[in-house]
Amino acid sequence: KQEVTQIPAALSVPEGENLVLNCSFTDSAIYNLQWFRQDPGKGLTSLLLIQSSQREQTSGRLNASLDKSSGRSTLYIAASQPGDSATYLCAVKSGGSRLTFGEGTQLTVNP
Amino acid sequence: GAGVSQSPSNKVTEKGKDVELRCDPISGHTALYWYRQSLGQGLEFLIYFQGNSAPDKSGLPSDRFSAERTGGSVSTLTIQRTQQEDSAVYLCASSLEQGRVQDTQYFGPGTRLLVL
Repeated sequence: KQEVTQIPAALSVPEGENLVLNCSFTDSAIYNLQWFRQDPGKGLTSLLLIQSSQREQTSGRLNASLDKSSGRSTLYIAASQPGDSATYLCAVKSGGSRLTFGEGTQLTVNP
Repeated sequence: GAGVSQSPSNKVTEKGKDVELRCDPISGHTALYWYRQSLGQGLEFLIYFQGNSAPDKSGLPSDRFSAERTGGSVSTLTIQRTQQEDSAVYLCASSLEQGRVQDTQYFGPGTRLLVL
């Protein structure tokens, strides 16, 4: 059974700092890995999707990397802003239809 | 274009009552998913539709939960005889076609269910 873990559970940083969120998964046989953002009381917004054959994906100030063999992914956020404050969720697709989610990292960026 | 929509946005019900939650996927998306997010827990998969059929129902927690999809579009998740532990946010997602490696799931805003 696939299990996804995210560290840290919560993170508070000053504005402008670069930061890294971590995700690990137990079964390396994945199709893809997706990073989402969830704002309070809202649904999930897809940020980046990395296919199993890829090593990284970039979108603006976000960069996600994937090391499938070690079961790890990182989300790098450059020059953080208060508007980046949200919960960040990592999810893997590893056979079948479902996504398996981590419990998220709650990020607060202080002005 | 329009995203995934869900209704109602909030639902308060009494223990023992039945509830229906609705999901309108993105037009043209053949795959539809239901997830549940309980307080203090992560998102858990409930059921997946490809077209009108549900090849994977393995996440439904009990036989009180059922779902259907008609016309390859709208889906309804029904919870019968609700219990307090059913209180959660129910999220619906759709994707263009299940099985593509690059398939991104797009999520709706969710229905917040509170069972008193």
